[in-house]
Amino acid sequence: GQQVMQIPQYQHVQEGEDFTTYCNSSTTLSNIQWYKQRPGGHPVFLIQLVKSGEVKKQKRLTFQFGEAKKNSSLHITATQTTDVGTYFCAGARMEYGNKLVFGAGTILRVKS
Amino acid sequence: DGGITQSPKYLFRKEGQNVTLSCEQNLNHDAMYWYRQDPGQGLRLIYYSQIVNDFQKGDIAEGYSVSREKKESFPLTVTSAQKNPTAFYLCASSIFGQNQPQHFGDGTRLSIL
Repeated sequence: GQQVMQIPQYQHVQEGEDFTTYCNSSTTLSNIQWYKQRPGGHPVFLIQLVKSGEVKKQKRLTFQFGEAKKNSSLHITATQTTDVGTYFCAGARMEYGNKLVFGAGTILRVKS
Repeated sequence: DGGITQSPKYLFRKEGQNVTLSCEQNLNHDAMYWYRQDPGQGLRLIYYSQIVNDFQKGDIAEGYSVSREKKESFPLTVTSAQKNPTAFYLCASSIFGQNQPQHFGDGTRLSIL
């Protein structure tokens, strides 16, 4: 079946350092979505990437979708304590409609 | 305010009992989903429904059942056949169709005593 691998599982950074999480799919995706889950909370949608090679930015967050539409990354520049949480990627395949397959998530902790 | 309501937030049940988790949405979304979240494993899809009176199994449907009699409601029953039911359960909904973001409820934490 379809799998979405996400690394690293956990990262602890000093406030102000950069952070990146990576997703790789075993199959070509129609789109990839990114979600953030704060400790004790529920996942919240951040962004969606659809086009091959697409890059989108949200303030300090940069999202990329690979040329082959099999991998994606989320990069946070100059982390802040408000960035703590678990970041999930979720891939969709066209033949499965809007059914998403989630990566295991990357837990980000920020030391102030 | 529109949103997804899951209840209860915490649920305790004895082993061997069936238990039903509630999920209600007032976003007028056609599609609804149930996920299970375990530490280090992300979200795994249990069941999903794209329209009233229709639903499909996800990746880990064994030991679970659902119904979709109303657009707003998608209850999940954890049956005694589920071998390891203790987990955090998340309900989500979305507009039907490709490339639609999912909106999540606050979740129900189920513990089997």
